[in-house]
Amino acid sequence: SAVISQKPSRDICQRGTSLTIQCQVDSQVTMMFWYRQQPGQSLTLIATANQGSEATYESGFVIDKFPISRPNLTFSTLTVSNMSPEDSSIYLCSVDLRAVRPPEQFFGPGTRLTVL
Amino acid sequence: TQLLEQSPQFLSIQEGENLTVYCNSSSVFSSLQWYRQEPGEGPVLLVTVVTGGEVKKLKRLTFQFGDARKDSSLHITAAQPGDTGLYLCAGARAGNKLTFGGGTRVLVKP
Repeated sequence: SAVISQKPSRDICQRGTSLTIQCQVDSQVTMMFWYRQQPGQSLTLIATANQGSEATYESGFVIDKFPISRPNLTFSTLTVSNMSPEDSSIYLCSVDLRAVRPPEQFFGPGTRLTVL
Repeated sequence: TQLLEQSPQFLSIQEGENLTVYCNSSSVFSSLQWYRQEPGEGPVLLVTVVTGGEVKKLKRLTFQFGDARKDSSLHITAAQPGDTGLYLCAGARAGNKLTFGGGTRVLVKP
C-alpha cells in the first residue's frame, strides 16, 4: 500500500479566488489521479497527473480551471481556479501502485472545499 | 461512455441482518473493484474481481463478478455497526482509470 497525505484537509474560500491542493506520497509512483466528490455523491475523475508532462483531463474538465503539476514521482498539486460555489466538493488524489492491470488505487484523505 | 449503476442508493438495517449491494453496467469491464468510504476519509479498497463468475470472500463480505463481467454484487452477512459507510464499485478502463458507480450508503443500527 501507500501512505498519501493531502494539504489542506479543508478550506473555506471566497468566490473568484483560487486554491492549490497538495498531494504527497511516501513512495515513488507512476500513476497519480485527481478526483472530485460532490456533496453526497460518488467520485468523478478530473485528470491523470503525468510526471514531466501535461496532465490528461477527462471530458468536462479543462486545464484553465484545474491546472495540475507533477514535478516528481511523489508529489502533485491541483489548483481550483476562479472558484464558484459549484466547486464546493471533496477533492481526492489517488495513486496506482501497479503499472499493469488490474489497477490498484489508494486514496488520500481528501480536501474538503467550501466556496462562499 | 461506460456507466456503472449501483442499487440501492441507501440501505438502513439492524445489526445482525444481511444486505446485498448491486453494481450493474451495460459495458464489459476488465476488472471491478469495491471500496468503502467513511466520513472524512478517502475510499479504501476492499477487493478486486477480475474473472467472470469469480467469487471472493473477505470475512463476512462476499463479492461476486458476473459471468459476462458487466455486473457485480457485495453481500454482507450479519452486518455490524462497523460496516456502516459508503460502498462504491469501480470498473477499470484504459490507462488504469476507474469509473465509479453512484455509491450505496449503508447504515447498520445497533
